[in-house]
Amino acid sequence: GIQVEQSPPDLILQEGANSTLRCNFSDSVNNLQWFHQNPWGQLINLFYIPSGTKQNGRLSATTVATERYSLLYISSSQTTDSGVYFCAVQDFGYSTLTFGKGTMLLVSP
Amino acid sequence: KAGVTQTPRYLIKTRGQQVTLSCSPISGHRSVSWYQQTPGQGLQFLFEYFSETQRNKGNFPGRFSGRQFSNSRSEMNVSTLELGDSALYLCASSLGHPPTEAFFGQGTRLTVV
Repeated sequence: GIQVEQSPPDLILQEGANSTLRCNFSDSVNNLQWFHQNPWGQLINLFYIPSGTKQNGRLSATTVATERYSLLYISSSQTTDSGVYFCAVQDFGYSTLTFGKGTMLLVSP
Repeated sequence: KAGVTQTPRYLIKTRGQQVTLSCSPISGHRSVSWYQQTPGQGLQFLFEYFSETQRNKGNFPGRFSGRQFSNSRSEMNVSTLELGDSALYLCASSLGHPPTEAFFGQGTRLTVV
């Protein structure tokens, strides 16, 4: 099956810093999503981005499908950005989302 | 518009018992998928339902089962609970099949003692 690797596994930032999270995947994908898991466990949708670039406030994402990677940018980080960020991909014709192991982000004041 | 609703939020069960979890998708969404999250295995796909039919199943034993009703609500059942079934169970709602953008509920945290 498709493999998803996220880096870095852990990231500690000071409030106000910028960061880039990376997601590499092993095959062509039909769907790629970024999620933020909050302390209560819910996966919050950040981006649905099988290709191209999207921006939402301080967050933006870019997927280069031909090179099999996606990047999530967080600018001017805030303590509320802390949590685990997951990248998930879906193979063509399949129902399942395959998740990476996540990046644990801690933003300190 | 209401999001994905999972009930109950927390459960404590004893080994050998069975449990039923419920998921109500976003209104108009007809695909419901279930995932298990554990510290050791991460997020793993359990199954997907669309139009009351199971469309895909992950690599889990037959003790894990599910169903979908005509209003798209879904339930999953775990029989003969084992300690290793302790996990966060997440339900995802999508518009159609195969599912595209997935929206997740808050999850049900199951503890087996």
